[in-house]
Amino acid sequence: EIVLTQSPGTLSLSPGERATLSCRASQSVSSSYLAWYQQKPGQAPRLLIYHASTRATGIPDRFSGSGSGTDFTLTISRLEPEDFAVYCCQQYGSSPWTFGQGTKVEIK
Amino acid sequence: EVQLLESGGGLVQPGGSLRLPCAASGFTFSSHGMSWVRQAPGKGLEWVSAISGGGGSTDYADSVKGRFTISRDNSKNTLYLQMNSLRAEDTAVYYCTKDKYSGNGGLFDYWGQGTLVIVSS
Repeated sequence: EIVLTQSPGTLSLSPGERATLSCRASQSVSSSYLAWYQQKPGQAPRLLIYHASTRATGIPDRFSGSGSGTDFTLTISRLEPEDFAVYCCQQYGSSPWTFGQGTKVEIK
Repeated sequence: EVQLLESGGGLVQPGGSLRLPCAASGFTFSSHGMSWVRQAPGKGLEWVSAISGGGGSTDYADSVKGRFTISRDNSKNTLYLQMNSLRAEDTAVYYCTKDKYSGNGGLFDYWGQGTLVIVSS
């Protein structure tokens, strides 16, 4: 099973700032099958990025993903008020599909 | 518009059973794999089970293998999760998810709102 470790656990930033979130895998993720989700309190997760760097339908271009192998990054170029949430990475390269524990982006 | 609507959650005693249906609409149901993903209170996400578009291929997390059964009725556009021998650690919000692709790809592009299952005496 591939274990995904996200850092930092919490990121305290102000609107307009840049957010950089990390996701590290315990072994190489096949074909960069790595996704990022956003989850707000009381809501279901929403797919943001898949194949490590492809934005899902309707996702603003301030969200970008990069990386390969075992190291992946989600970048939010300029934080909007609605971006403060929990972000979770997930690998779908090999079963069982696994999720990271999440990074909370909070308002500073 | 894609919609996934779970139901069937509630309070059940340890050792008991529960069946969760998920009604799907807004897409060609039989053309997409489907999964159940759960989230224990205050915890992260855990994939539980997946089924291919035609229903011929299924997969389970080790934590539920032998206790849970995933199935689908493509004539009714409905996904199911039969949960038996429930344990306290199965307490979670259970999400129905649509796979972006037809097989068991594990990429969840749409999620339902979730249904809460509480296993407690």
